[in-house]
Amino acid sequence: QKEVEQDPGPLSVPEGAIVSLNCTYSNSAFQYFMWYRQYSRKGPELLMYTYSSGNKEDGRFTAQVDKSSKYISLFIRDSQPSDSATYLCAMSYNTNAGKSTFGDGTTLTVKP
Amino acid sequence: ETGVTQTPRHLVMGMTNKKSLKCEQHLGHNAMYWYKQSAKKPLELMFVYSLEERVENNSVPSRFSPECPNSSHLFLHLHTLQPEDSALYLCASSQDRRGSDTQYFGPGTRLTVL
Repeated sequence: QKEVEQDPGPLSVPEGAIVSLNCTYSNSAFQYFMWYRQYSRKGPELLMYTYSSGNKEDGRFTAQVDKSSKYISLFIRDSQPSDSATYLCAMSYNTNAGKSTFGDGTTLTVKP
Repeated sequence: ETGVTQTPRHLVMGMTNKKSLKCEQHLGHNAMYWYKQSAKKPLELMFVYSLEERVENNSVPSRFSPECPNSSHLFLHLHTLQPEDSALYLCASSQDRRGSDTQYFGPGTRLTVL
């Protein structure tokens, strides 16, 4: 079983829709939770970063962490064609390992 | 473009060639990483360097040889690769190796092995 499972997609939505991207994980030691956005032919870029449980909002993006359920989500409101990309969830321990465990990614297409 | 640059962006090589990938970070970070990204697979961590010292090698075949001459530069030397090594190779850096330190990625080198 993978440590991090991400909804496989692909996901296609019309412009303006609310998008929900989700990951589950098995290791309760994860403390830091990230969402990366990766456009085609580019490297991942950090989109959202949260520590422990709770919600974090940044513009049209909201990251939600539920440690009791080992479940994280990224919500995109008023989705735009420019949001079309692959979204990667990642999580890390509170140690000096300095590495994150990534999900497989969900490819999102927002159609005009 | 991020504070992490990679060259070349694209590379095609034969199985008998020797080539090197270069990564440079302009963020003043102390840790650098090499990842392999293949289609429909999660990012695979290959190597971790902290203050120029290799601190992790995730069972990577010896045909991949990393080098970190200073905290701003990271190389991946390639020789006698196999077609299954074709992938996007990503470099990343972080302030240190704490779990709270987020990683910043370069654009990657798209490698094709013929």
